[in-house]
Amino acid sequence: ELKVEQNPLFLSMQEGKNYTIYCNYSTTSDRLYWYRQDPGKSLESLFVLLSNGAVKQEGRLMASLDTKARLSTLHITAAVHDLSATYFCAVDGNNDMRFGAGTRLTVKP
Amino acid sequence: GAVVSQHPSRVICKSGTSVKIECRSLDFQATTMFWYRQFPKQSLMLMATSNEGSKATYEQGVEKDKFLINHASLTLSTLTVTSAHPEDSSFYICSAGGWGRGTEAFFGQGTRLTVV
Repeated sequence: ELKVEQNPLFLSMQEGKNYTIYCNYSTTSDRLYWYRQDPGKSLESLFVLLSNGAVKQEGRLMASLDTKARLSTLHITAAVHDLSATYFCAVDGNNDMRFGAGTRLTVKP
Repeated sequence: GAVVSQHPSRVICKSGTSVKIECRSLDFQATTMFWYRQFPKQSLMLMATSNEGSKATYEQGVEKDKFLINHASLTLSTLTVTSAHPEDSSFYICSAGGWGRGTEAFFGQGTRLTVV
């Protein structure tokens, strides 16, 4: 069974700081997704990573995928308050898709 | 990007009644759609995979007789929560696209179900 572990589960940051969220998964897959969820809302797609070594950046967020290590990272650069949300990674394991537990990010002034 | 529309966004129902939630793909055909349930402050749990023209595939532990899924067309899947109870209160989200094809999955707006 595909298992996805995400950490940290809670992250409190000061504005302007950098941090990384980690997503490990248990079986072979080269399809990994990052989503953002605001309270009471559905999921917003951030990144789609489809190959080993894939790196994508959008604004202050950058995601990467290492399929050999079964690890993806979501790096936050110079955090701002608007980034406060819950971030989920999700792994597509060929008809077995699983979400990480989510990282609740709070960015404080 | 593609749009998935889910309706209603909120519903309150009495215990013992049934509630139907619709999920539509607005600008693409979706042979497969997915239904998730999310309890407060938890992650999304896949409930079932909805297949157009055939029976849904349910995840272990999900009662197929309680959560009826119908995928009668390439643009519409419905989830009916039958004989709802307070413990069924949750946030239900559908998605289409992606999964298994390496393309982006699109999510509906979600339905907040409250059973009183």
